[in-house]
Amino acid sequence: DQQVKQNSPSLSVQEGRISILNCDYTNSMFDYFLWYKKYPAEGPTFLISISSIKDKNEDGRFTVFLNKSAKHLSLHIVPSQPGDSAVYFCAADFNKFYFGSGTKLNVKP
Amino acid sequence: NAGVMQNPRHLVRRRGQEARLRCSPMKGHSHVYWYRQLPEEGLKFMVYLQKENIIDESGMPKERFSAEFPKEGPSILRIQQVVRGDSAAYFCASSPRLGEGTEAFFGQGTRLTVV
Repeated sequence: DQQVKQNSPSLSVQEGRISILNCDYTNSMFDYFLWYKKYPAEGPTFLISISSIKDKNEDGRFTVFLNKSAKHLSLHIVPSQPGDSAVYFCAADFNKFYFGSGTKLNVKP
Repeated sequence: NAGVMQNPRHLVRRRGQEARLRCSPMKGHSHVYWYRQLPEEGLKFMVYLQKENIIDESGMPKERFSAEFPKEGPSILRIQQVVRGDSAAYFCASSPRLGEGTEAFFGQGTRLTVV
């Protein structure tokens, strides 16, 4: 039972443009969400988080948006850089961490 | 302040052997999680432990897999009688507590190959 879903397995974006990665969840009790970035052969690293009391959190080039009514969150990367090419996981923290299946982002120079 | 340490980084086992994966959480962290990533798939939750207690093992296969987090020493994920389908990357994460504002820190993973 996948409670956190990332329906796009891959995304390709030109350098300098915006990358938008999407995530949906099913459990309305979830109230804290995180994004992780993972390079090949490495463990995931924390990127940015958002609490359900907010609808937006920004950190440099990374912004996470939360739409509670739609049970949807998105990660925006502006401008995208080749070094951003990685797999991005969204996760919900509720007694344990529920992860989506990941979206592989490729930023083309 | 060392991060989450997993060893070995790579482990090769023959079918039927046992695999032991170790995870030392970050200093001060008492919550440990194990995740498995199969090729071309996402992170699948396996088990959540606190010191000396298994809190949630809903993601653990019913047979051959076990996990512990003793009072002293690292957390151990043990796979008995490994089969080819156990080949995957196993990641351990730790956190100091649950709740808002807490993120899990991951280790580099152990890549298990069953031949």
